[in-house]
Amino acid sequence: QQQVKQSPQSLIVQKGGIPIINCAYENTAFDYFPWYQQFPGKGPALLIAIRPDVSEKKEGRFTISFNKSAKQFSLHIMDSQPGDSATYFCAASPDLNSNSGYALNFGKGTSLLVTP
Amino acid sequence: GAGVSQSPRYKVAKRGQDVALRCDPISGHVSLFWYQQALGQGPEFLTYFQNEAQLDKSGLPSDRFFAERPEGSVSTLKIQRTQQEDSAVYLCASSFFNGESYGYTFGSGTRLTVV
Repeated sequence: QQQVKQSPQSLIVQKGGIPIINCAYENTAFDYFPWYQQFPGKGPALLIAIRPDVSEKKEGRFTISFNKSAKQFSLHIMDSQPGDSATYFCAASPDLNSNSGYALNFGKGTSLLVTP
Repeated sequence: GAGVSQSPRYKVAKRGQDVALRCDPISGHVSLFWYQQALGQGPEFLTYFQNEAQLDKSGLPSDRFFAERPEGSVSTLKIQRTQQEDSAVYLCASSFFNGESYGYTFGSGTRLTVV
């Protein structure tokens, strides 16, 4: 079953807008929450990641907001550009000491289009 | 090289054929993962190696799937008697852990089409 639920499935914003992508999880053993960006024909590339001990992390134009009690986290892209058009995946990983090391559980992805 | 290299980039197999997909991880990365990405979906975990030890193979969909990493570097994912439902992109990732964050680097994947 899908361990990380992601929405929306697709998103269109104008250049300069702030797309927001949301994810939710149930497994309280998850300890690490990265976001990945994927362009066609390429593998996912790490954008930004957060641990549950902080509620927000910002790197450049990308911000993760994390709500531990609600088991939700979201990605905001400030001042979006056409070059940001890609598929974005949230993911969650259990504790490093689990049997699966830190295998990632991915959401289904959000296809973002930023129009000029 | 600087990244994770996967070969071949594309593979077309006839149903019932065996295939082997190769992954060259980043030098020195202890952990190696295989994921399967169906069209329009997120990657799904297949198996995990720490050095040459396969610590988790719970994601392998059937006993037709087999992975190895005999010397703790290059890994091969083998699929026997391919079926149409095996058509997907197979992604390899290698990883380090620096005490705080996990650095995953994915390869560009092998797109397998079973006809």
